[in-house]
Amino acid sequence: QVQLVESGGGLVKPGGSLRLSCAASGFTFSDHYMSWIRQAPGKGLEWVSYISDSGTIIHYADSVKGRFTISRDNAKNSLYLQMNSLRAEDTAVYYCARESAWYFNLWGRGTLVTVSS
Amino acid sequence: IVMTQSPATLSVSPGERATFSCRASQSLSTSLAWYQQKPGQAPRFLIYGASTRATGIPARFSGSGSGTEFTLTISSLQSEDFAVYYCQQYSNWPPTFGQGTKVEIK
Repeated sequence: QVQLVESGGGLVKPGGSLRLSCAASGFTFSDHYMSWIRQAPGKGLEWVSYISDSGTIIHYADSVKGRFTISRDNAKNSLYLQMNSLRAEDTAVYYCARESAWYFNLWGRGTLVTVSS
Repeated sequence: IVMTQSPATLSVSPGERATFSCRASQSLSTSLAWYQQKPGQAPRFLIYGASTRATGIPARFSGSGSGTEFTLTISSLQSEDFAVYYCQQYSNWPPTFGQGTKVEIK
């Protein structure tokens, strides 16, 4: 079954850290660029970060640059997002998504990150 | 690039036609995608290239437009089509999304 499954979300205090994971199955993970996209409660979608198939090309949204780190392990069919110095405005459902020419043709169900004291 | 969707909410009866719009702040050519999202579910990829349906998407979904004006039409609404629809541009980096149009039952 072709799917993406995120995990690792939870409640964290401002300034804290969290590591999200995304497990891919049913397709050749190492052939695809991947992204993290988030959705704050009641809001629209915001692209967060992107990584190339080999992991050599990485981009971040300005809102997370310097605080978040994207990575992947093709041997484990997994995508990661290390989030440091978390702020209240980072509260959102975080989705991993498979890219194709900068649009997203497969999404996971998401994992909720809540930043609150 | 700023993406603006209208209307924010569209009330439609099952079986009727639904049409809603997406406007870009600068020309995209046809680098536009559409997604459907139901509560608690992952977004579902519908259309790319402004008008090409993704694999498995029913023919009642059609996209049109180019440049800065785009439209998604659902020809005859089924119960499973009531959802929020987002457009996304991929002409310029970074990719950006509209705020969504909620299609609700009238």
